[in-house]
Amino acid sequence: DVKVTQSSRYLVKRTGEKVFLECVQDMDHENMFWYRQDPGLGLRLIYFSYDVKMKEKGDIPEGYSVSREKKERFSLILESASTNQTSMYLCASSSQGWNTEAFFGQGTRLTVV
Amino acid sequence: QQQVKQSPQSLIVQKGGISIINCAYENTAFDYFPWYQQFPGKGPALLIAIRPDVSEKKEGRFTISFNKSAKQFSLHIMDSQPGDSATYFCAAETQGGSEKLVFGKGTKLTVNP
Repeated sequence: DVKVTQSSRYLVKRTGEKVFLECVQDMDHENMFWYRQDPGLGLRLIYFSYDVKMKEKGDIPEGYSVSREKKERFSLILESASTNQTSMYLCASSSQGWNTEAFFGQGTRLTVV
Repeated sequence: QQQVKQSPQSLIVQKGGISIINCAYENTAFDYFPWYQQFPGKGPALLIAIRPDVSEKKEGRFTISFNKSAKQFSLHIMDSQPGDSATYFCAAETQGGSEKLVFGKGTKLTVNP
C-alpha cells in the first residue's frame, strides 16, 4: 500500500515561530511537492523537488523554504510564521516521467495565531 | 494567472442524476489532463485521466470528455451517488515540462439522497 505520510494532522503555532512540516514517502519517487489548499483557491504549488537536494519554486514560494536531504523526505519550512499562512498543507510525490500519478498525503492543518 | 479554469465552484445533484464539471485551459502545450477526487479529511487521489489523442475516456460511472479545439474538458458522473460527494479538481500537465500539475480551483459536489 503506497503511502505519503505527513508528520502532523493539526498544528497550532504562534506568529513568528519557525515551523517545520515533514513529509515522507515510501514509493521511491523522485518528485515531491508541497501544495497549499485554501477554500476557493484550490491547490497552489509552493515548492517541488525532482531529486535529492534539488528544488524549484512553485507559484507561491514567498515565506517558505524547503529541504530534501534524503530521497524519501521533503520538508517545508516557514521561517517566521504569519497568520496568512494559516492553511491546509498537502505533500505529494510522483515518479519521474510524464503522465505519472501524484500521490498525496492526508494534509496538515496549520493554524498560526 | 490561472492556467486551468474550473466551474462550477459548487454543485448539488440528486441521487441518480448526472454531475458535470467543466474545465478550460489556454496553454496548448498541456497534454495530460487528470481529475483528482478529495474526500473531507483526506488528500486528493487520482480518479481518471485523459490524453488529448482521444475525445473520451470512461471508467465505470466516470467519463472525461475532451474537446481539443475548444481547449475544454469535462468530468461526467453518471448515476451520481451520495458517496460521490467530494471535491473534484481538474489538472493539466505539459509534456517535457517539469512534471508538475496545474490544478483548477476545485468543485465541491454534494449528492443528496
